[in-house]
Amino acid sequence: DAGVTQSPTHLIKTRGQQVTLRCSPISGHKSVSWYQQVLGQGPQFIFQYYEKEERGRGNFPDRFSARQFPNYSSELNVNALLLGDSALYLCASSLGQRAYEQYFGPGTRLTVT
Amino acid sequence: AQRVTQPEKLLSVFKGAPVELKCNYSYSGSPELFWYVQYSRQRLQLLLRHISRESIKGFTADLNKGETSFHLKKPFAQEEDSAMYYCALSLTSGTYKYIFGTGTRLKVLA
Repeated sequence: DAGVTQSPTHLIKTRGQQVTLRCSPISGHKSVSWYQQVLGQGPQFIFQYYEKEERGRGNFPDRFSARQFPNYSSELNVNALLLGDSALYLCASSLGQRAYEQYFGPGTRLTVT
Repeated sequence: AQRVTQPEKLLSVFKGAPVELKCNYSYSGSPELFWYVQYSRQRLQLLLRHISRESIKGFTADLNKGETSFHLKKPFAQEEDSAMYYCALSLTSGTYKYIFGTGTRLKVLA
């Protein structure tokens, strides 16, 4: 198993645009969580999805949305991008809803210009 | 509000010296606490969790509810311990949330 995979690795967007980030969990894992990591800070929790339903949400504006597909992969969408959305976006998967052990992907580096 | 505080951005110790990475939390419920580590050019990975009370790579961490702390300790630091360490809190009631501290960079000097 390749572990958690994320795509793309890097991308550059302009203010006001929309972006979609993708995550494939470890086979058998049903929970996916999304985090934003700004340089010099710890990861900040955005969403958790378990069995295709949103089970947790961090303090992010409604411009951020996500979904989980029947194969448990997930997409994170960010609309109306701001310069402050520039960050590393991490995806983590775990077996159950209570993420006692999360496995992280390599992240997607988003730069907003 | 729930919070995880790691007061040190950088901790430098000599090889063989004891290490203590500090973590304090703020949460009115029953906490689930974790330490994650990120080695250079590697993914963030779980180091240990308080419910398992295990020692991983010589590291231990004890939950002190009175002091709301979950400090990470190792009696003898090794050069390969140099990494970024994050303390994290999982909320056990209400909707799911996972809160990370800002991290401490540990440098073990030869």
